[in-house]
Amino acid sequence: EPEVTQTPSHQVTQMGQEVILRCVPISNHLYFYWYRQILGQKVEFLVSFYNNEISEKSEIFDDQFSVERPDGSNFTLKIRSTKLEDSAMYFCASRTQRGGNEKLFFGSGTQLSVL
Amino acid sequence: DAKTTQPPSMDCAEGRAANLPCNHSTISGNEYVYWYRQIHSQGPQYIIHGLKNNETNEMASLIITEDRKSSTLILPHATLRDTAVYYCIVRVASGNTPLVFGKGTRLSVIA
Repeated sequence: EPEVTQTPSHQVTQMGQEVILRCVPISNHLYFYWYRQILGQKVEFLVSFYNNEISEKSEIFDDQFSVERPDGSNFTLKIRSTKLEDSAMYFCASRTQRGGNEKLFFGSGTQLSVL
Repeated sequence: DAKTTQPPSMDCAEGRAANLPCNHSTISGNEYVYWYRQIHSQGPQYIIHGLKNNETNEMASLIITEDRKSSTLILPHATLRDTAVYYCIVRVASGNTPLVFGKGTRLSVIA
């Protein structure tokens, strides 16, 4: 089965630093998502992206966050100035366009630790 | 917020059927019921979804009550690898509405 690939699997950074989390969605997929999961808590929606623009975003996705699809294959999440509370597992997901009913494929995640 | 209610945890003996319930009493006519699971800290994995008819695939069966206010996910022969958190999610099928995850049910399959 095709996979969503995320790199790196672990990222450690200092508070205030910028980080970029990378994802390669499945090749024929058109909708892209970022979710995060703080240790022991629920999986939370951050942002959805379609046709080179943000479709929807949650309250968590503030001005410190941005997403980009720079080259037609990668999908990135940038955190401009990391805070301690940004420490979490970040999941990328993608799906095809058909009917809005297609299943979502998730990557294995990037564990971000902000020190 | 999640529109579903699930028990926080369940146990199941290996080889037996695991029946995971979900209440979604406020479900609308155009909303589907989706099931995903998360094994340890991996990314969530799609299992099955349905609107009103019962559904079956290679992983599981989904039984939806006639009034659509509740459903049951059935893993017919649970294995140790089925130990995971199982999420029942209600979502409109059209457009780009994101999946909203609740706390799910932590299923422990016991040898």
